[in-house]
Amino acid sequence: DTAVSQTPKYLVTQMGNDKSIKCEQNLGHDTMYWYKQDSKKFLKIMFSYNNKELIINETVPNRFSPKSPDKAHLNLHINSLELGDSAVYFCASSQDRLYEQYFGPGTRLTVT
Amino acid sequence: QKEVEQNSGPLSVPEGAIASLNCTYSDRGSQSFFWYRQYSGKSPELIMSIYSNGDKEDGRFTAQLNKASQYVSLLIRDSQPSDSATYLCAVNVNRDDKIIFGKGTRLHILP
Repeated sequence: DTAVSQTPKYLVTQMGNDKSIKCEQNLGHDTMYWYKQDSKKFLKIMFSYNNKELIINETVPNRFSPKSPDKAHLNLHINSLELGDSAVYFCASSQDRLYEQYFGPGTRLTVT
Repeated sequence: QKEVEQNSGPLSVPEGAIASLNCTYSDRGSQSFFWYRQYSGKSPELIMSIYSNGDKEDGRFTAQLNKASQYVSLLIRDSQPSDSATYLCAVNVNRDDKIIFGKGTRLHILP
């Protein structure tokens, strides 16, 4: 069974479009995250939710909006996509904020 | 000073030797420390976590934590070509209650 899953795995879209990435975890964890890994492979946190409550909101453009319908799911919606949004987006989950994080397989977003 | 620093490498180690990966951090209040391995095109995979000073061993991997000197290291014994990957150090930043990743060290095991 996949512990943290993301869909889609690949996303190719044009500038200006709106897209969503979905994440689900079956580990029973309370905390979920979105990370962005750019072309230089730097892994940077974007958002974190704990029991559906937003607890970390890094300096991310307002075009990015996370939503957590329940503690097993965390989605990321991106409006008006820009070329600079091209990256791999990872979802992760952990039992609590300072514990080990488990990552999903990633979504490679390419904006053309 | 950057919050979590790692030498980007590449670090080349002969097969069968010990690979030593280092990481320094700036927040003296940090309590949680992690090592992840990331193969090219894959997601980060947790190798070790360490929370107290000293060594923690798991198979061929040993994590070492020295809070006074603010560094954490990962030793890989009997290195195998399959250990070739990028190793990410992650540390909690106490004041912000979040975990920050270093930029990673690329390790290349020479057959």
